[in-house]
Amino acid sequence: DQQVKQNSPSLSVQEGRISILNCDYTNSMFDYFLWYKKYPAEGPTFLISISSIKDKNEDGRFTVFLNKSAKHLSLHIVPSQPGDSAVYFCAARLMAGGTSYGKLTFGQGTILTVHP
Amino acid sequence: ETGVTQSPTHLIKTRGQQVTLRCSSQSGHNTVSWYQQALGQGPQFIFQYYREEENGRGNFPPRFSGLQFPNYSSELNVNALELDDSALYLCASSLAGQGGKEGYEAFFGQGTRLTVV
Repeated sequence: DQQVKQNSPSLSVQEGRISILNCDYTNSMFDYFLWYKKYPAEGPTFLISISSIKDKNEDGRFTVFLNKSAKHLSLHIVPSQPGDSAVYFCAARLMAGGTSYGKLTFGQGTILTVHP
Repeated sequence: ETGVTQSPTHLIKTRGQQVTLRCSSQSGHNTVSWYQQALGQGPQFIFQYYREEENGRGNFPPRFSGLQFPNYSSELNVNALELDDSALYLCASSLAGQGGKEGYEAFFGQGTRLTVV
C-alpha cells in the first residue's frame, strides 16, 4: 500500500535549468508535506515543507507546489546546480489526533543528476 | 544547537542475534521516530516515542522495540535478527505540537548501516 509515490526513479538536468520533481499521494488525511534531500552515507536533510492549507511555498531556489484536488505535489529547483545532485524524497504527515501523528510516509525517492 | 547523532555508524551481526542502536535527539526536541530504509526504497516508519512512551507504530513485528530516556535520547532494539533486517536505520527528532501553517520538520541523523549475515 504505497500511499506516497514518486514515479520517476531518476531525473537528469543541465546546470542552470529548472529541475521538477513530482510526487503523488492517495491519503486525503495527510496534512503536511515535506521534501528531503539525501546524499550517500548521510541521513535525509530537510529542504522545504508545505501545509495542506497552502498551495505554494518558496525558499530561495526551492519552491513546492501542492495540488490537493489532484493529490499531487512538486518540487521546483531553479536554477539547478551540480551540488543539488542527490536523492530527493517527498514525505507526508498524517493529521493531528491520530495515533500515528508525526509519522512520515515517504516516497521511493528520485535520483537527481545536475550536469555542469 | 546540536544535531541528531546516531551510533554506531556501521554494524555487522549474525542472524538470530540481538542489536541495540542509539540516537541522541536534537536539542529542544521531545519526540523521536525510527525508520528503516532498505536499499533503493524510501524510509519506512517503525515507531515514534513521545515523553518516554510509544506513540504510534508502523508495520513492524514486536521484536522491534524501543526506549526513550528522560533526556530524549532513544534506543532501537531488534531481537532475533533476520537477513531482511539488513538496512539503514534512521532516527529523526522533532518537537511535538508543531503543525498548522507554522511548519513541521523532522531532523534525521546520519543513520546506522546494519548488515545481518
